[in-house]
Amino acid sequence: NAGVMQNPRHLVRRRGQEARLRCSPMKGHSHVYWYRQLPEEGLKFMVYLQKENIIDESGMPKERFSAEFPKEGPSILRIQQVVRGDSAAYFCASSPQGTTETQYFGPGTRLLVL
Amino acid sequence: GEDVEQSLFLSVREGDSSVINCTYTDSSSTYLYWYKQEPGAGLQLLTYIFSNMDMKQDQRLTVLLNKKDKHLSLRIADTQTGDSAIYFCAEAFYGNNRLAFGKGNQVVVIP
Repeated sequence: NAGVMQNPRHLVRRRGQEARLRCSPMKGHSHVYWYRQLPEEGLKFMVYLQKENIIDESGMPKERFSAEFPKEGPSILRIQQVVRGDSAAYFCASSPQGTTETQYFGPGTRLLVL
Repeated sequence: GEDVEQSLFLSVREGDSSVINCTYTDSSSTYLYWYKQEPGAGLQLLTYIFSNMDMKQDQRLTVLLNKKDKHLSLRIADTQTGDSAIYFCAEAFYGNNRLAFGKGNQVVVIP
C-alpha cells in the first residue's frame, strides 16, 4: 500500500511565477490536509479538503494561495505570484475519515523562491 | 488557543534513554501525537495517545500525559543512531481536523 505521494519533491521558482504542488493520498483515504513548514519551525495547518470540497481553509493566506481536491486526480496546492517568503516545505497528509483520524504525511515538496 | 511548545535540542549516547518534552495550552485536545522527521523527509507517525489516558507504551517508546500540567513526554529506551531526527509533538481537537505542532526537538544520538 503506497503511502502519501507528493510531487515534485523540490521546486524552484522565480518571484512572480506560479507554483503547483500535487498530493496523492493513501489508497482509501478521502481526506487531505496541507501544512507548511517554514525553516526551523513546526508545521502550520493550511487547509483541509475532501473530494470536491474545501472543509476548512482557515490557515490559508488570503491571497495568492488556493487548493483543490477534484473528484479524479491528486489534490493541488497552487501559489500564484510567488514571493521569497513562500519558500518552505509543504506537506500533505491524508486520513481515511475526518475528525480525530490519524493523519499520514507525505515526503513534502520543498519550494525555493529565488 | 493552539500553542505547543518544545525544547529544541537533545544529545544522547547510544544505548541510553532519551526524554523529549512538550507542553500545550489547549485543554480541549483529543489526541496527542509524536512524529519523527529525518533530514529531507516527511513526518513519520511514531505513536499517539488519547487525552483520557495517562500513559502508553509501544516497544521502546513510552508516552506520558499529564493533563493537569498540559505536559506530554516521549521516552525512547535504548536509543539507537537511527533515532537521530527531529521529533514533533502535535495535538488534535474535537470537531477540528487540524493538527497543531510544536517547533520540534532535534535529537542527536552519539555512538
